[in-house]
Order: sequence, then C-alpha cells, then structure tokens
Amino acid sequence: GESVGLHLPTLSVQEGDNSIINCAYSNSASDYFIWYKQESGKGPQFIIDIRSNMDKRQGQRVTVLLNKTVKHLSLQIAATQPGDSAVYFCAEMDTGRRALTFGSGTRLQVQP
Amino acid sequence: SQTIHQWPATLVQPVGSPLSLECTVEGTSNPNLYWYRQAAGRGLQLLFYSVGIGQISSEVPQNLSASRPQDRQFILSSKKLLLSDSGFYLCACLRDGNTIYFGEGSWLTVV
Repeated sequence: GESVGLHLPTLSVQEGDNSIINCAYSNSASDYFIWYKQESGKGPQFIIDIRSNMDKRQGQRVTVLLNKTVKHLSLQIAATQPGDSAVYFCAEMDTGRRALTFGSGTRLQVQP
Repeated sequence: SQTIHQWPATLVQPVGSPLSLECTVEGTSNPNLYWYRQAAGRGLQLLFYSVGIGQISSEVPQNLSASRPQDRQFILSSKKLLLSDSGFYLCACLRDGNTIYFGEGSWLTVV
C-alpha cells in the first residue's frame, strides 16, 4: 500500500541555523501534502501545505519543496528557534477518501 | 474559527472495561471527521472517518468502533478494552477543502 516515510528520525540544530526535514512518499497519485508540528502531549498543528502542481511554497520562516520526480518532500525552517523543537510529520492526502497518511515523524532538537 | 473539543483528555482504564471518547466540532457544518491513534513515539494511524451522520468507514480491523450520532459529534468506543488499545487518540476535522485540523487528543492507558 501507499506509505509516507522520513529519512531522519532525529535532527539536532543550533539556534539560528536553518533546518531541513525530509520526507519520501510512495503514492505518485497523491496530489496534496501537509507538514504538521507536534509538541509533546499535544495534537498535531498544521504548518504548511502544498499541492502537486507546485514545486515550492513559502510561509512565515518555513518553506516546503516538492519534487514529484523522486517523490520527495522537504520542510525548511529558517533561523530555527527553541520553540521549533518538536516532532514534524509529513502527510499525504488521499483525495479519494479525503484522509491523510502520515509518516513516522522526525524529532527536531534546537540547541541554544 | 473552528474548534475541536475532545474529552476526556486523560483516561486510565482496566482491561476488559468499556471506552467512550467524544469529539465535537464547532464552526463548521457537515464536516468530514476522523479518529487517529498514535502509539508512543510513532506516527498517526487512521482508525475511522465519517463523511456524514451515521456514515462510518473503518480503516483497520480492531477492537474499536465509531459512531456519528450528530453532524458535529464523533464518538470512539470499545466494549472491552485490550492492553494494545493504549495510545494517544486524536479527533480531526477536514476544513478549507483539503486541510485536516486536529484536536488536543485523549491519552488512554489500559492497565
């Protein structure tokens, strides 16, 4: 079946540096992707999304890149702050069911 | 704005006891609603989703069931809990076309 996975389980960065979190997906028919941030003990929080007809989308301090050729998704966080420490999930939208398939997550640790 | 309410936030139940987790949504009508489960340190697994009152789709065979008695109410239940039912249960709602937003979750520990 379809799956969405992440390359790095834990990423440690220095405060102020840029962070890049990667994700691979297997369902080439997916046309919508979302990045979520989950802090300990809380529900996932929407960060940014991108449709398959786009290669790049920018938000406040965050950028999502989509490479459909290799089925790869990345989240870039500029000037990483301690408050960015959390687990980040990429998710693929199944447009037929309107439900999300999640990857296993990457923990981002920001060192002061 | 939309708000997703889940309760209880934390629950400790003995093996074999029943379960009822409730979720209500404000600020939208006829939403798609979802129940996800997250095991400790793991990703989110879709359990059930609903496109309307009384319409439930089950994603995986399990010891749980779901019901949608009202448009903005989604309930997760079990008649007899197993140890493996422990986890973090999240209710979610589809909004803005494709974006799914989550509630704050319910921690279930089966002992």
